[in-house]
Amino acid sequence: QKEVEQDPGPLSVPEGAIVSLNCTYSNSAFQYFMWYRQYSRKGPELLMYTYSSGNKEDGRFTAQVDKSSKYISLFIRDSQPSDSATYLCAMSGPYDKVIFGPGTSLSVIP
Amino acid sequence: KAGVTQTPRYLIKTRGQQVTLSCSPISGHRSVSWYQQTPGQGLQFLFEYFSETQRNKGNFPGRFSGRQFSNSRSEMNVSTLELGDSALYLCASSLGVGDYGYTFGSGTRLTVV
Repeated sequence: QKEVEQDPGPLSVPEGAIVSLNCTYSNSAFQYFMWYRQYSRKGPELLMYTYSSGNKEDGRFTAQVDKSSKYISLFIRDSQPSDSATYLCAMSGPYDKVIFGPGTSLSVIP
Repeated sequence: KAGVTQTPRYLIKTRGQQVTLSCSPISGHRSVSWYQQTPGQGLQFLFEYFSETQRNKGNFPGRFSGRQFSNSRSEMNVSTLELGDSALYLCASSLGVGDYGYTFGSGTRLTVV
């Protein structure tokens, strides 16, 4: 079993839809949870950065962490064609390396 | 401000050769991490440096090595290249230990033939 699991997709949604992206993990030591977006031929770009359980909102993006279930989610409201990219979850324990999920490819259709 | 700069952007090498990749972090960032990205394995952690010291190391063979200089710039070296080393090598910088909000460079695309 991989440390971090993520549905690879591809996920295709119409413009304006709410998108839900999810990751599960096995290491209970993880305390820091991140979401990155990666466009083709570019490096990943940090979207959300949360510590421990709870919700965090930033514009159209909401990150949720449920440590009891070892499950994290990223919600995108009012999705736009410019949101078409690969979304990577990432997580780490204190002072440890950051582990990335395999990524979910998202296409938002105009 | 300038982002994370990786050079070169593209490289083609022959099996058995060695290669050195360079990474200049964001000014003020003292931690540099390296990742290998392939379609099959995703982002795999190579190593992390802070203040010229390797803090964490991934599960890669000893052919993969790195270092960090006093100005926080970092290099990674791969010796005796194999076909399977073909990948996008990404460098990420952050302020320091405990800061997991990485800023990535655009990567170096290495092709081994």
